[in-house]
Amino acid sequence: DAGITQSPRYKITETGRQVTLMCHQTWSHSYMFWYRQDLGHGLRLIYYSAAADITDKGEVPDGYVVSRSKTENFPLTLESATRSQTSVYFCASHEWRAQPQHFGDGTRLSIL
Amino acid sequence: GNSVTQMEGPVTLSEEAFLTINCTYTATGYPSLFWYVQYPGEGLQLLLKATKADDKGSNKGFEATYRKETTSFHLEKGSVQVSDSAVYFCALISNAGGTSYGKLTFGQGTILTVHP
Repeated sequence: DAGITQSPRYKITETGRQVTLMCHQTWSHSYMFWYRQDLGHGLRLIYYSAAADITDKGEVPDGYVVSRSKTENFPLTLESATRSQTSVYFCASHEWRAQPQHFGDGTRLSIL
Repeated sequence: GNSVTQMEGPVTLSEEAFLTINCTYTATGYPSLFWYVQYPGEGLQLLLKATKADDKGSNKGFEATYRKETTSFHLEKGSVQVSDSAVYFCALISNAGGTSYGKLTFGQGTILTVHP
């Protein structure tokens, strides 16, 4: 099925661990995004990518790393997880600027 | 910079009541405006959009009109249902700034609960 898939849906880990959240889209959209959703802050952009091997920082990039070796995949890595990174993470994609973004179902990440 | 302000929630209504969720924005250039809906445990889905002044977006009984003079994009529905209970986000993409991607700026979200 066409769409955008995030995995895992739920993850619990400990501070200091490395965690990777996966995002896969089947539309071959050029642009992909990672957001975090926190109460009182709405959605905030972490990183985005305009194409394979092109990534850039959003509003809240500290503590996160991204890569995009293939158009369809955009993994987000927390290199050393902290409690402040407990959040719901959403991946999104679109083809060009005026089109709405399509969102995955999210990954709920808890860091103990 | 760009910003979106939504009315504070949560909003609680009885079934068949009239719904308004206010949204105002600040943006450079000529933004496109969106309403997204998030049902419990799910991601955001596009509800409706408007790309220029006086456009009216509509979907599933919801409507919103792009008002440039008041920089607003209020969401309305004439008769809500229990199944409309969700979080609603107003958002904009600014076409200014020279970026090729659409930087999506969200409001804080409004939680709507509809009781039978």
